[in-house]
Parts: sequence; C-alpha cells; structure tokens
Amino acid sequence: DIVMTQAPLSVSVTPGESASISCRSSKSLLHSNGITYVYWYLQKPGKSPQLLIYRMSNLASGVPDRFSGSGSETDFTLKISRVEAEDVGIYYCGQLLENPDTFGAGTKLELK
Amino acid sequence: EVQLVESGGGLVQPGRSLKLSCLASGFTFSNYGMNWIRQAPGKGLEWVASISSSSSYIYYADTVKGRFTISRDNAKNTLYLQMTSLRSEDTALYYCARRPGYNSWGQGTLVTVSS
Repeated sequence: DIVMTQAPLSVSVTPGESASISCRSSKSLLHSNGITYVYWYLQKPGKSPQLLIYRMSNLASGVPDRFSGSGSETDFTLKISRVEAEDVGIYYCGQLLENPDTFGAGTKLELK
Repeated sequence: EVQLVESGGGLVQPGRSLKLSCLASGFTFSNYGMNWIRQAPGKGLEWVASISSSSSYIYYADTVKGRFTISRDNAKNTLYLQMTSLRSEDTALYYCARRPGYNSWGQGTLVTVSS
C-alpha cells in the first residue's frame, strides 16, 4: 500500500498569516497520463471531510483561492494564504492512484 | 445540489451484521463510482470499499475483505454496505463518498460494535 506521511501533525497560525502543510508519498503518484493523483481534504470540527484540491493543484468548486496545491511526484504541499477562522480543522492528503486509496494521518490547524 | 444521506448505523454486538445505506440525490447516481470510507473515533480516514458506476468493478480494504459487501441499486439511487462478522475495530463513522476524488461526502452514520 502507498503510505502518505504528513507534516506537521499540528500547526498554529495567526489569522491573516499563511500556512503550509506537507505530504509525502511512499511511491510516485504521477500516472503515465501526466496526472498526479494526490488530493487534499479539510474536515472542519464536527463535519464531514470536504475536497479542497484535486489532482495535486486543481481547486475544487467553491474553495477560496487562498488555497493552493503543488508538488512533485512524491512530495506535495498545501498552502493556505491569509488564514481565516473558517480554515480551522484537520487537513488530510490522500492518494487515489491505486487501490487501496490511502490517506495521511492529518494535520490539525489551529489559530493563535 | 449533490446530497448523500447515510443511514443504518447503530449499536451491534460483535459477530453480528448490519447493513448501511446511502441515498443519493442531486446528480445522476448511475454515472458515478461510489465509495465507503470510515473514521474511527478520534482517528483518521480509512477507505473501506469502492464500486464502479455499473457495479462491474468492486474493491475492498484487506481489513474488511470477506466480511463486507458493497453494492448499489441505480434505480433507487442507493449505495449499500452489508457488514457481517462485525468486530470492535469496525466501530467508526461510516461515510459514503462520490468519485472522482471524493468530491462529495455524506454526513456519516455511526456504527458501534460492542457487547
């Protein structure tokens, strides 16, 4: 199985500042079709996860453009610029390249 | 608006069975692959099972293979998860989620396996 490793496990950010979350996969997530199958999700407190970024760098519908995704074949970054109170929650990266789909352990974002 | 509504969770004894349902609306259900993903209390996300739009392709996590069965009824816009031989480690909030990319999730249904 592909292992997804996130860092840090928690981050505390001042509102208005930026935050970055890293995710590393144990295997390249670059498919031969040129698409990198890494996804980012946010689970707000008491809520279901929601898709933020798909295929490494594409913003999901309705997601503010303060969120962005980037990376290589095995190293990925979610950046949140100008963090707001509504961004609090747990962020998960996930790989959907091959079965079984796997997720990172999550990064908890809190406000200072 | 896409909606996924899970039901069927509850308290069940170890070794017993339970069947979950996920009613979909707001999109053409028969066009999309669907998945079950679970989250144990205070833990992260674990993929459980996948089914393609026409049920041609079905996959399971090793932890549930042989005990759980995913299925769907496109005429009823409903996804199912039949769970048998339940164990305490199956205790979790079970979400249904739509492919591609898990772009829509339900609110989850809680399954508690305990004597």
